[in-house]
Amino acid sequence: AQSVTQLGSHVSVSEGALVLLRCNYSSSVPPYLFWYVQYPNQGLQLLLKYTTGATLVKGINGFEAEFKKSETSFHLTKPSAHMSDAAEYFCAVNAPGGYNKLIFGAGTRLAVHP
Amino acid sequence: DVKVTQSSRYLVKRTGEKVFLECVQDMDHENMFWYRQDPGLGLRLIYFSYDVKMKEKGDIPEGYSVSREKKERFSLILESASTNQTSMYLCASTGTAGNTIYFGEGSWLTVV
Repeated sequence: AQSVTQLGSHVSVSEGALVLLRCNYSSSVPPYLFWYVQYPNQGLQLLLKYTTGATLVKGINGFEAEFKKSETSFHLTKPSAHMSDAAEYFCAVNAPGGYNKLIFGAGTRLAVHP
Repeated sequence: DVKVTQSSRYLVKRTGEKVFLECVQDMDHENMFWYRQDPGLGLRLIYFSYDVKMKEKGDIPEGYSVSREKKERFSLILESASTNQTSMYLCASTGTAGNTIYFGEGSWLTVV
């Protein structure tokens, strides 16, 4: 069965520091993997996605993620955090059965300190 | 610009009331979803629809129903609201597998 585990419900970094948000998945089919961001009182916005092809995926706002099949991981990184990156981040994997359903992780709230 | 619109952002309803949450998308997408978001639980799928008048249960359908009479509109119905349905509800739409899923801004429902 498909599942997503995000390690760390809260992550705190200093402005300018590396951001690393961890995501591990399990999937019975070749996975499609997604990272979404949610700013306060808003819906979810796609940061990046992996479907096929290059395993290093670049997204918006300077974020990137690398699909590592051997580690069943899809960690999200950004070299230098900005205050505006403070938000909640969700990793997701496609669910079986088609229709583009997604299974989400519990989310990681990122705090950025001056 | 792509748009998924949830008409009600904030609602307060009484226990036992019937509640309608409306969602409209302008992208001619086949698939539409209703998720519920709770702290520490992420997003959980309530129902989805893959065509007009077609619907499938998600992971937590109990206490909810849905309606899709037109392709662009997908409604979530709480037949008799209860306090444990206090939550943030997110509507989403998408095309085929691997395509981006677009979310509305969410509806905060409080049941008192």
